[in-house]
Amino acid sequence: QSALTQPPSASGSPGQSVTISCTGTTIDVGGHIYVSWYQQHPGKAPKLILYEVTKRPSGVPDRFSGSKSGNTASLTVSGLQAEDEADYFCCSYAGNNNLKVFGGGTKLTVL
Amino acid sequence: QPQMQESGPGLVKPSETLSLTCSASGGSIALSPYYWGWIRQPPGKGMQWIGSISYRGSTFYNPALKSQITISVDKSKIQFSLKLNAVTAADTAVYFCVRSYGAYGGVWFDSWGQGTLVTVSS
Repeated sequence: QSALTQPPSASGSPGQSVTISCTGTTIDVGGHIYVSWYQQHPGKAPKLILYEVTKRPSGVPDRFSGSKSGNTASLTVSGLQAEDEADYFCCSYAGNNNLKVFGGGTKLTVL
Repeated sequence: QPQMQESGPGLVKPSETLSLTCSASGGSIALSPYYWGWIRQPPGKGMQWIGSISYRGSTFYNPALKSQITISVDKSKIQFSLKLNAVTAADTAVYFCVRSYGAYGGVWFDSWGQGTLVTVSS
């Protein structure tokens, strides 16, 4: 069982917006800004798409956005495109002992 | 960003040591303030952070695995390695090498290898 809770699946039609949640505790998600999100296509290496809750690395479209409220972080994908169909997982710093924890991942389907 | 590539045996016997190496092409790994580390994903489960190392050799380990793991950087600063002792079936996973950034041994991971499946079985 993963430390952070994500819905196993999400879906949306092209052009729509989808939001994926990542719920933790005050020790991890709720305790600081070090929440990141990753996209992973089947058989491919994961790709960083958001860090420090809302920041996008160079080259990541602004269709990807992040937010956080309390112990829950969220990833929103706007203007869904077929290429967005992938697995998405979150990660958070978890305080003591430099631990980083992950969510179980959400499979996003573009209908 | 560097291209990361894991290498090592795909099958390890129970109680033996799992050894993996990661090469970061495109330059030396002696770059501050990056950290170099390992993450694994057991079949059907989420990712688990294993640990990381700075170019100076400072290590940061998952407390749950600390007694079992060693991460090291070679003197040429071209590769870094993972050793996981006394493996059991629970250590069967896809192992990813990663570059991380930020405090606490790196809090986000901006480069990933493709991952290599390591199966623990007799």
